[in-house]
Amino acid sequence: ETGVTQSPTHLIKTRGQQVTLRCSSQSGHNTVSWYQQALGQGPQFIFQYYREEENGRGNFPPRFSGLQFPNYSSELNVNALELDDSALYLCASSDGGLAGNEQFFGPGTRLTVL
Amino acid sequence: DQQVKQNSPSLSVQEGRISILNCDYTNSMFDYFLWYKKYPAEGPTFLISISSIKDKNEDGRFTVFLNKSAKHLSLHIVPSQPGDSAVYFCAAKVVGGSQGNLIFGKGTKLSVKP
Repeated sequence: ETGVTQSPTHLIKTRGQQVTLRCSSQSGHNTVSWYQQALGQGPQFIFQYYREEENGRGNFPPRFSGLQFPNYSSELNVNALELDDSALYLCASSDGGLAGNEQFFGPGTRLTVL
Repeated sequence: DQQVKQNSPSLSVQEGRISILNCDYTNSMFDYFLWYKKYPAEGPTFLISISSIKDKNEDGRFTVFLNKSAKHLSLHIVPSQPGDSAVYFCAAKVVGGSQGNLIFGKGTKLSVKP
């Protein structure tokens, strides 16, 4: 069974640029959730995708957007990067959309915005 | 407003003794609780969970206790081992809620000394 993978591992961007982060969900899982973890904080929910549809969204502006593909992998896109977007971005996969409970996390992508 | 609080940023315990990590929540709608462990440069790893219909769940050295009236849960690790040294996150959710996301605390860094 393959776990959750994310790419790239690290990324450095400058203010105003755009970034795309990728996630492959665990085999058999149809739900992907994205979280932002700032230094010294717990992960904060960005949004969730279930069977290619956005299934819920946290308190993040529209410049954070996403996609889920038929194989249930997912992308997180951030436009017009700001310094405060520097964080660890975590992807978690689960089964069952809103009814799913345990979420399994990937190793994360460390984004630095200069 | 932080809905899930871990008031101890750090905890140091001697190997072989009990580690007790605490978590408080404010949202009475939460009905499922999880603990995750996170090593540096890795994503959070699911440890143990508990539904609000139970007050205790045990898995090997790990036991989670839930006190709904006090809106408090705790994770007990017995006996503690040096490999348990990590950041522990408490998370909560509303099963089938409109977002289906996990709400995390800020984490407690556990150090188990040999």
